[in-house]
Amino acid sequence: DTGVSQNPRHKITKRGQNVTFRCDPISEHNRLYWYRQTLGQGPEFLTYFQNEAQLEKSRLLSDRFSAERPKGSFSTLEIQRTEQGDSAMYLCASSLVRSGAGELFFGEGSRLTVL
Amino acid sequence: ILNVEQSPQSLHVQEGDSTNFTCSFPSSNFYALHWYRWETAKSPEALFVMTLNGDEKKKGRISATLNTKEGYSYLYIKGSQPEDSATYLCASTSGTYKYIFGTGTRLKVLA
Repeated sequence: DTGVSQNPRHKITKRGQNVTFRCDPISEHNRLYWYRQTLGQGPEFLTYFQNEAQLEKSRLLSDRFSAERPKGSFSTLEIQRTEQGDSAMYLCASSLVRSGAGELFFGEGSRLTVL
Repeated sequence: ILNVEQSPQSLHVQEGDSTNFTCSFPSSNFYALHWYRWETAKSPEALFVMTLNGDEKKKGRISATLNTKEGYSYLYIKGSQPEDSATYLCASTSGTYKYIFGTGTRLKVLA
């Protein structure tokens, strides 16, 4: 399967715990995005990478959120000291950008439930 | 318009009906407009990427138009089928490659 892969698909955790999500983009895609989606809302931008460089991070993202993309391949999104408000679907997407705004290829998401 | 807005939020149509949705986006610094279809338990899939004012794109029974001067795009579905039931998302980018999504239009096609 050469699509975008996300793990775990579901995560239930207690408030205060740390969680980490992983995204494996389509091979050779140079851009990688993280979005968060809550019920009734569209995907909300969190951050994106071009290769290994994190180019932009949403101001809505608290310091408890951090993302990395070592070596420009897979990416991880870590949430420290989770709160109930963090419960959401976390979507990863990748794209190949040479010129122009290429379409995004999404994974199936990682659903987080914070109890 | 500071955000990307979609209307209606949801709608139900009968099989065979044609329908259309609206996406409004900031017209200043516009670069591209995307439409995605998101079926339940699946990942969003791109339908169209449009960049030029007046663009019209078509894929089977689905088509889209773009007006960058006034900041809107329409998505049309002709002869809706139950398998068209999904959430339709639009996303706009101003060239920084940060895509801003609307809240989506949830379509239910009744057999």
